Amino acid sequence: KAGVTQTPRYLIKTRGQQVTLSCSPISGHRSVSWYQQTPGQGLQFLFEYFSETQRNKGNFPGRFSGRQFSNSRSEMNVSTLELGDSALYLCASSLEALAGQPNTGELFFGEGSRLTVL
Amino acid sequence: AQSVAQPEDQVNVAEGNPLTVKCTYSVSGNPYLFWYVQYPNRGLQFLLKYITGDNLVKGSYGFEAEFNKSQTSFHLKKPSALVSDSALYFCAVSPLGSGNTGKLIFGQGTTLQVKP
Repeated sequence: KAGVTQTPRYLIKTRGQQVTLSCSPISGHRSVSWYQQTPGQGLQFLFEYFSETQRNKGNFPGRFSGRQFSNSRSEMNVSTLELGDSALYLCASSLEALAGQPNTGELFFGEGSRLTVL
Repeated sequence: AQSVAQPEDQVNVAEGNPLTVKCTYSVSGNPYLFWYVQYPNRGLQFLLKYITGDNLVKGSYGFEAEFNKSQTSFHLKKPSALVSDSALYFCAVSPLGSGNTGKLIFGQGTTLQVKP
């Protein structure tokens, strides 16, 4: 079974530009969440999508947005890039619990998209 | 506020010795607790989790963790460290317990260095 796939793996942008990152979850996983990882702030939750709907949102400005398609693939977009947006952006997918079963919450992460803003 | 703390930025241990990576948490209700590992330039890999039941949980690669409710801790342990265990380790908590898979609160991470 293929893992979580993120594209592109590396990209360089300049301030003011925008960027779109893509994530393909593990087949059958309908929940996709995004995290930003930086040396200073660590791992911070951006948002989570389930069945094409945003279910949770972290404390990030509106420049950060995302969406999920009917095949569960997800994209996140950052507009008007700032130097501080340089980070590793990680996508994770998870399998929703069956009805009546506890949800154990294990996430499967992709290898990330490393964004450098110059 | 719900949070996770990993008090050590780095843990150094000799190969063959036992290792402990510390984690304490602050959440309301019953916590779902996790440990993940990250190798350089890679995503995170799940190691183990505590949901309910036995306080000692066993996970991948010989790791285990002990849940202590009174001390609100979930320390990661391994009886005999390997050089290949050297990586960045994250403790995490699911803030709402059941039903919320995608949002985890992570600690700042602890770098484990195992020397031959």
